[in-house]
This record gives sequence, C-alpha cells and structure tokens, in this order.
Amino acid sequence: QKEVEQDPGPLSVPEGAIVSLNCTYSNSAFQYFMWYRQYSRKGPELLMYTYSSGNKEDGRFTAQVDKSSKYISLFIRDSQPSDSATYLCSSGGSNYKLTFGKGTLLTVNP
Amino acid sequence: DAGVTQSPTHLIKTRGQQVTLRCSPKSGHDTVSWYQQALGQGPQFIFQYYEEEERQRGNFPDRFSGHQFPNYSSELNVNALLLGDSALYLCASSPYFRDTYEQYFGPGTRLTVT
Repeated sequence: QKEVEQDPGPLSVPEGAIVSLNCTYSNSAFQYFMWYRQYSRKGPELLMYTYSSGNKEDGRFTAQVDKSSKYISLFIRDSQPSDSATYLCSSGGSNYKLTFGKGTLLTVNP
Repeated sequence: DAGVTQSPTHLIKTRGQQVTLRCSPKSGHDTVSWYQQALGQGPQFIFQYYEEEERQRGNFPDRFSGHQFPNYSSELNVNALLLGDSALYLCASSPYFRDTYEQYFGPGTRLTVT
C-alpha cells in the first residue's frame, strides 16, 4: 500500500462548479499536509499547508484534514478555467521528507 | 524576490553517462530537497541537504549523490545513467524551522536518457 493514495482522475467540471479533491494516507506519523498545484511541464506550486486535523481556508480554496480517518481534502469554490492543472496532495512526519500522491488532473471547462 | 531556480531546463544524455543538475534556493531558505517526478507520477523524494550535509535520503541508489555549497545552492549528480532515470528533477527549498514543511519548488530540469 502506498503511503499516500490519490485518485488520478481525470476530473472535468464546468466553470463555477465546486471541486472536491481527495487523498488518503496510511502513515500515522504524518502531521503535515500540503496541496500543490502543478501546471503542465512546470514545477509544483504550494497552495495550502495544514498541520494536524482541521480546516484551513484561503480565498476560493479550503483544505480539510481528518486524522481519525486519514483523509485529506481540497475544495475549490467557483472554479475557473485557470484552475485547470494537476493537484498533488502530500504529507510528512518529523523527518521533513514529503510523500506525494500521484496527482489528480482537473479540467475546468468555460 | 527570486524564487527557486534550476539549471539547465532540459538535458539529453546517453545511457552510462553522468549528469549534474543545479539549484539555487529561494532567498532566506537554507534547506534544499531534491525530487524525481516520472511522467504521470507524483514527485519522489531523493534526499535533503542542510548545512552542507545530507540529512535525509529516500529509496534511491548510490548513483544519486548531491552537494550543498556554503551559499545554500545545491547540485544533484547522477552516475551511470539508465533509461529509467528519464524524469523531471525538482528542487525544493525551505527555511530550517522545526515545524515547517513549506517547501517551494523550482521549475525543474527535464532529463531525457537515450
């Protein structure tokens, strides 16, 4: 079992839709949870960073972590065509090493 | 504020050759991590450098080695290249605070091994 599992999609939604992206993880030592956005042939861009369980909101983006179920979510409200990208979830413990999911390819259609 | 920079952008090498990739961290960052991202996969951790020493290492063979310089920049070296080494190599930098995982990635170096 991979330490971080992510449905690769692809996911296609109309502009303005609410998007829900999800990951699960298996390592109980993970305490740090990140979402990255990666455009084609570019490096990942840090979107959200959370520590332990709870919610974090930044503009149209909300990250949720449920440590009891080892579930990580990213919600995008009022999705825009410019949100079309691959979204990567990642987790880490005390050793500063990030473990990534495979990424979910999202397309927002105008 | 300059972000993480990497060079070169693209590289084509032949099996058996050696390659060196370079990374300059974001201003104010002193820790550099290297990742390998194969097509359609998430990045995989290779190793991390802080204070010019390798602090953590992922499941990569000894053909992968690195170095960090006093100005915090870093190099990744890969010897005896295999076809399977073809990937996007990403450098990420972060400040060395105990509780932060805020790693910022560069644009990557795309390595093709023929």
